Amino acid sequence: GESVGLHLPTLSVQEGDNSIINCAYSNSASDYFIWYKQESGKGPQFIIDIRSNMDKRQGQRVTVLLNKTVKHLSLQIAATQPGDSAVYFCAENWDYGGATNKLIFGTGTLLAVQP
Amino acid sequence: EAQVTQNPRYLITVTGKKLTVTCSQNMNHEYMSWYRQDPGLGLRQIYYSMNVEVTDKGDVPEGYKVSRKEKRNFPLILESPSPNQTSLYFCASSFRRQNTGELFFGEGSRLTVL
Repeated sequence: GESVGLHLPTLSVQEGDNSIINCAYSNSASDYFIWYKQESGKGPQFIIDIRSNMDKRQGQRVTVLLNKTVKHLSLQIAATQPGDSAVYFCAENWDYGGATNKLIFGTGTLLAVQP
Repeated sequence: EAQVTQNPRYLITVTGKKLTVTCSQNMNHEYMSWYRQDPGLGLRQIYYSMNVEVTDKGDVPEGYKVSRKEKRNFPLILESPSPNQTSLYFCASSFRRQNTGELFFGEGSRLTVL
């Protein structure tokens, strides 16, 4: 809902421009990373993931970049559309495929697309 | 349609009045989890379950209980709610081992404790 966007860093872009959303993760041992999109009033929705043995992965209009040296993850959205307006979360998996499959979520970035 | 269903979506209650938030998934997922979402704090895990009759604490379990008697259901129980449990709650599920870590989330349950 709307309260999710409070206190969040906000990225404002013009429709048609490219967006880059950044995320710093905490655990150097994390081996799996995911980006989620949360629209107002809805639950988070999976966008794209990347394993630690990769530094780039592309989907439809989205690209995720992973820099393990500085523990940084970014999500690039090409030709941003009004429907992309949402809160975007990165998540790191501390135990992928293991006993807990534990995800740690970032606090999120609000993407506001201006028409 | 594959989905995670939570009920109620909105609830206002008073301190100390026991309540249960239900969660049901129709995807035959082994893994289910509850999160709470608060402004500035992101999603924090309350409890999770790797399979039927297997549950464990997440990062913020105090004041909550869960049960997993059936694979599809994972209710969240607040025995004696307090105002600091006012939050937006999400249930999520996934296959335990898979090539993606995709979690499927419910639509959320907004709880207010007065």
